[in-house]
Amino acid sequence: QVQLQESGPGLVKPSQTLSLTCTVSGGSISSGGYFWSWIRQHPGKGLEWIGYIYYSGSTYYSPSLKSRVTISVDTSKNQFSLKLRSVTAADTAVYYCARTGTVTGNFDYWGQGTLVTVSS
Amino acid sequence: SYVLTQPPSVSVAPGQTARITCGGNNIGSKSVHWYQQKPGQAPVLVVYDDSDRPSGIPERFSGSNSGNTATLTISRVEAGDEADYYCQLWDSNSDHVIFGGGTKLTVL
Repeated sequence: QVQLQESGPGLVKPSQTLSLTCTVSGGSISSGGYFWSWIRQHPGKGLEWIGYIYYSGSTYYSPSLKSRVTISVDTSKNQFSLKLRSVTAADTAVYYCARTGTVTGNFDYWGQGTLVTVSS
Repeated sequence: SYVLTQPPSVSVAPGQTARITCGGNNIGSKSVHWYQQKPGQAPVLVVYDDSDRPSGIPERFSGSNSGNTATLTISRVEAGDEADYYCQLWDSNSDHVIFGGGTKLTVL
């Protein structure tokens, strides 16, 4: 059973960089066949895809966040990470990591989510 | 960019059938996935590739997709089905993921 767990600071100051890590267990990122994704959800709002990465390092980002986002992968630790630069209060959200099938394009396993608040 | 449109809310009495729609331009030519999200929890995949169910999802959940509308159907609705439901697809033209705005299902 694949499990994903987000970790990182729950509070980030405006203009700084939000950094989160997703640790995958029960399966190897390096095995291929899946993208590894970040999704966020503003309080009381819908789901917003941020981007995803393949184990090889290939990345795809949402056009609306592309200029501020970097997703990276560390296959040795079976982790992938999100960096979102120059954050504002509008980036306050629950951030989820998830596994995405490269063929199906759906998110079959999700982390529990972590709330990140942007505030001074 | 591609847009998916869902009704904000759907209400249904217990035991009845709920239908949640997801509209998009020629969506019938794409694979649509559906998620259930209960308060404070991560979304759960309930239907993928228009009409397939992951292991563990009750047969009461089904999907269809044709023309400009995909539909999630929940038969014999139970109180525990009350949740937000999201449609999603992968736009192969841009390699981007698209989510619908979500529909809140209320069980009366």
